[in-house]
Amino acid sequence: TQLLEQSPQFLSIQEGENLTVYCNSSSVFSSLQWYRQEPGEGPVLLVTVVTGGEVKKLKRLTFQFGDARKDSSLHITAAQPGDTGLYLCAGAPGAQKLVFGQGTRLTINP
Amino acid sequence: DTGVSQDPRHKITKRGQNVTFRCDPISEHNRLYWYRQTLGQGPEFLTYFQNEAQLEKSRLLSDRFSAERPKGSFSTLEIQRTEQGDSAMYLCASRPSGQETQYFGPGTRLLVL
Repeated sequence: TQLLEQSPQFLSIQEGENLTVYCNSSSVFSSLQWYRQEPGEGPVLLVTVVTGGEVKKLKRLTFQFGDARKDSSLHITAAQPGDTGLYLCAGAPGAQKLVFGQGTRLTINP
Repeated sequence: DTGVSQDPRHKITKRGQNVTFRCDPISEHNRLYWYRQTLGQGPEFLTYFQNEAQLEKSRLLSDRFSAERPKGSFSTLEIQRTEQGDSAMYLCASRPSGQETQYFGPGTRLLVL
């Protein structure tokens, strides 16, 4: 079973601070996706990383895929209250079903 | 809106009743997935279809659960004789062939009393 471990599980910080969320596995994934989920809604795709070492930026969010394609990180610069939500990483072993981490619940306090 | 849609968004039922959920994927996506998400956890895979063929089922999918995609377009997930442990968010996702990214619907939240 390919497991994805996310850390931290909970993070509460003040507006304007920076943060990093980690997604780690002992297995290699062909790609990793990051989603954000609001309460009562489905996950919304933020980014897909495919190449080892790849870095993608989405405004204040920076996503990195590890060189060995076993881990990924999400860095948020100058966090805002609108960034509050559940962040999920997901990997696609064999390009079929997604395996999800348990999520990081992020709260940005004004 | 051409995203994945699910119906209903919320369902409250009594233990022992049957429920059916519907998912309409993005129109050109031939792969459709069902996941279940309980509170505080990430989604867990239930089953997936390539066109009308159901190609994989998780061990989470007991014999009370059945899923269909009769014409390779929309899909239904039925739970028979619901139990309180079935209470969860049921998510549908779709993707086109040749791409690994899955796009999720808004989910159906089920509460079994």
